[in-house]
Amino acid sequence: DIVMTQTPLSLSVTPGQPASISCKSSQSLLHSDGKTYLYWYLQKPGQSPQLLIYEVSSRFSGVPDRFSGSGSGTDFTLKISRVEAEDVGVYYCMQGIHLPFTFGPGTKVDIK
Amino acid sequence: EVQLVESGGGLVQPGRSLRLSCTASGFTFGDYAMSWFRQAPGKGLEWVGFIRSKAYGGTTEYAASVKGRFTISRDDSKSIAYLQMNSLKTEDTAVYYCTRAITTVTTARFDYWGQGTLVTVSS
Repeated sequence: DIVMTQTPLSLSVTPGQPASISCKSSQSLLHSDGKTYLYWYLQKPGQSPQLLIYEVSSRFSGVPDRFSGSGSGTDFTLKISRVEAEDVGVYYCMQGIHLPFTFGPGTKVDIK
Repeated sequence: EVQLVESGGGLVQPGRSLRLSCTASGFTFGDYAMSWFRQAPGKGLEWVGFIRSKAYGGTTEYAASVKGRFTISRDDSKSIAYLQMNSLKTEDTAVYYCTRAITTVTTARFDYWGQGTLVTVSS
């Protein structure tokens, strides 16, 4: 199975400041179709997960442009340009190319 | 608006069965794969399995932890996906989420999630 790792596992951010989460996969997530199947989800407290970023860098419908994704192959990053109070929760990266689909352990983001 | 509503969760004894339902609305159900995930209390997310759309044969894939015990099916006429869980174990205790999935033969993207339903396996 592909192992997804995330760093840091927790992050405390001052509102208005940037934040960055790293995700690494044990195998390349680049498909022969040219796409890379890496996703970012946010699970806000008491809620179900919501898709933020798909295929490394595409923002899902309704996701604010302060969220951005980058990376390739096995190394990926989610950046929040200016953290807002509503961004608190646990961020998960997930790979969607190799069965079984697997998640990182999650990064808990809170506000200072 | 895409909506997914899970139901059927509850308390069940080890070794017994339970069937979860996921009722979908706001999109053409038959055009999409449907998937199930779970989250044990205080833990991370785990993919359980999915069923492809009829266009991709309606075939299923499962995580090793549930293969042979869980079965995913779908009724496109009712826009409902099911998760039949047999031989339940205490470690199956979790909130179960259904999701809409966009799949190819070998890849998947899970975009919309339901609110989840809690399954507790305990004697």
